Amino acid sequence: QKEVEQDPGPLSVPEGAIVSLNCTYSNSAFQYFMWYRQYSRKGPELLMYTYSSGNKEDGRFTAQVDKSSKYISLFIRDSQPSDSATYLCAIRASGSRLTFGEGTQLTVNP
Amino acid sequence: GAVVSQHPSWVICKSGTSVKIECRSLDFQATTMFWYRQFPKQSLMLMATSNEGSKATYEQGVEKDKFLINHASLTLSTLTVTSAHPEDSSFYICSARFSRDRRNEQFFGPGTRLTVL
Repeated sequence: QKEVEQDPGPLSVPEGAIVSLNCTYSNSAFQYFMWYRQYSRKGPELLMYTYSSGNKEDGRFTAQVDKSSKYISLFIRDSQPSDSATYLCAIRASGSRLTFGEGTQLTVNP
Repeated sequence: GAVVSQHPSWVICKSGTSVKIECRSLDFQATTMFWYRQFPKQSLMLMATSNEGSKATYEQGVEKDKFLINHASLTLSTLTVTSAHPEDSSFYICSARFSRDRRNEQFFGPGTRLTVL
């Protein structure tokens, strides 16, 4: 069983839609939860960082963590064509080693 | 935010040759750098972790004699793929961690696409 599971998609939505991306994890030691965005042939860039259960909002992005269910989500409101990318969840325990999900490929159609 | 660069951005080489990839932290001192490999439509897989001035720690299944990592300074780490073969063709990404960052955030480089013919 993988430590982090993420549906690879692809996911295609119309512009303006609300997008929901999800990951599940198996290790209770994981404490820090991140979402990265990766454009094609580019390195990942950090979108959201959180370490507690609950919601964290930044502009059109909301990260949600449910530690009891070992489930994390990223919501994108009013999605734009420029949001088209691969979204990777990443999780780590107390050290610095990140474990990534497979990534979900998102396309927002104008 | 912190900037990490990689050079070259892409490289094509013949089978059996060696290729060196550089990773630089441009505006901060990185005590720890990480090297990842990413195959098409797959996630990032950690290859090794390197701390400045010490030997790299390799993940299980990664050949340390094939993937040589040097982290000689706080701003530069290199990955050398020795005797490259077509199966080594991949997207190689480095990241760097700022020594005093409590969040342990990793800043990623833009990646290097290696094609071995």
